[in-house]
Amino acid sequence: DAEITQSPRHKITETGRQVTLACHQTWNHNNMFWYRQDLGHGLRLIHYSYGVHDTNKGEVSDGYSVSRSNTEDLPLTLESAASSQTSVYFCASSATRTDTQYFGPGTRLTVL
Amino acid sequence: AQSVTQLGSHVSVSEGALVLLRCNYSSSVPPYLFWYVQYPNQGLQLLLKYTSAATLVKGINGFEAEFKKSETSFHLTKPSAHMSDAAEYFCAVRGANFGNEKLTFGTGTRLTIIP
Repeated sequence: DAEITQSPRHKITETGRQVTLACHQTWNHNNMFWYRQDLGHGLRLIHYSYGVHDTNKGEVSDGYSVSRSNTEDLPLTLESAASSQTSVYFCASSATRTDTQYFGPGTRLTVL
Repeated sequence: AQSVTQLGSHVSVSEGALVLLRCNYSSSVPPYLFWYVQYPNQGLQLLLKYTSAATLVKGINGFEAEFKKSETSFHLTKPSAHMSDAAEYFCAVRGANFGNEKLTFGTGTRLTIIP
């Protein structure tokens, strides 16, 4: 069955370190998204991609970057982790011109 | 631009009672509207969606929602709550125009079921 996976599921890191969160989907979807979930804020869009080599900034992109070198993967990099980036991160994907986003299980990141 | 407002961050209902979770939207273009459910320590799962066809939409697990343009609302209902419905529920909106694939989420409503 097609799926979307995230790794690691839990990560603890220190302030200032570079961190990369992986997202891999086997749906062959063109669209991929990264969100962060924080209490009282719901899900907020960080970055998104509509295809290979396409990336776009979302609502809360400062301090984050993504690159899309193939259809299946959209890794999220925190260049220099900050305590304000402690959150749960969700990856999602959708097929072009359809309307359902499918979500991964999430990565809980703690920055100390 | 689009946005949604979910009224009530916490809702408690007795088992067997009506579930009503409120969502109001704001959109400059015809909207697509969604309800997602999140169980503890899991990702989000689509419950139902409105994409400009029938205004009364039926979803999984006995949930339904009605799109009311005059009230800019898309409230989620279930006639009889079950213990397994305890979860967090998110309303989301996107524009119906092609190329606008981004979802904007509400802040969520945590549903508690009282035995």
